[in-house]
Amino acid sequence: GQSLEQPSEVTAVEGAIVQINCTYQTSGFYGLSWYQQHDGGAPTFLSYNALDGLEETGRFSSFLSRSDSYGYLLLQELQMKDSASYFCAVRDLNYGGSQGNLIFGKGTKLSVKP
Amino acid sequence: ETGVTQSPTHLIKTRGQQVTLRCSSQSGHNTVSWYQQALGQGPQFIFQYYREEENGRGNFPPRFSGLQFPNYSSELNVNALELDDSALYLCASSPPPGQGVRDGYTFGSGTRLTVV
Repeated sequence: GQSLEQPSEVTAVEGAIVQINCTYQTSGFYGLSWYQQHDGGAPTFLSYNALDGLEETGRFSSFLSRSDSYGYLLLQELQMKDSASYFCAVRDLNYGGSQGNLIFGKGTKLSVKP
Repeated sequence: ETGVTQSPTHLIKTRGQQVTLRCSSQSGHNTVSWYQQALGQGPQFIFQYYREEENGRGNFPPRFSGLQFPNYSSELNVNALELDDSALYLCASSPPPGQGVRDGYTFGSGTRLTVV
């Protein structure tokens, strides 16, 4: 089987740093991605980690440890507009495709307070 | 560069009816994936189409079916609608399998289906 676990809600204040963790369980792992979704909007791609380590893109960073089946998304200098749901997603070979298909977690709702 | 467009944006159907949802992929993308997103949940993978053939499927019954056309656009068909089929249906396009993995999927804004 396959499962992804992430916290359901996180609250932080403007300017702070927040880390959203994701643990996954699958026999067909092919990479970990993060997506952001504002209420009523489409998910938008943030980052992808295929190998262990940290990937940095502006205020957002993503980390992967394949040996621990664990990753996280780090958001720095939080802004009000960062209030959204954040999903980790694994490319899972068990769902077909030469590089797996994207399977999402249930999402973490981030609320940024003034 | 055009994004992913889905139609219709909202739809109300009666239990037992059939529905067809449509998706046009982003320019340069020839792979389309469909997802079902219930309120407060993550997107659930339905299936993916590449070169007009199904290229992977999630845990959905056969009454969920799809098509991809030569211009890479796609349809999702759901037969014998059930109340639990009420959800946001998302279409995502991507480059061919093996390319552009680091660029992620481009999602449309979805079709909100309500089954009554």
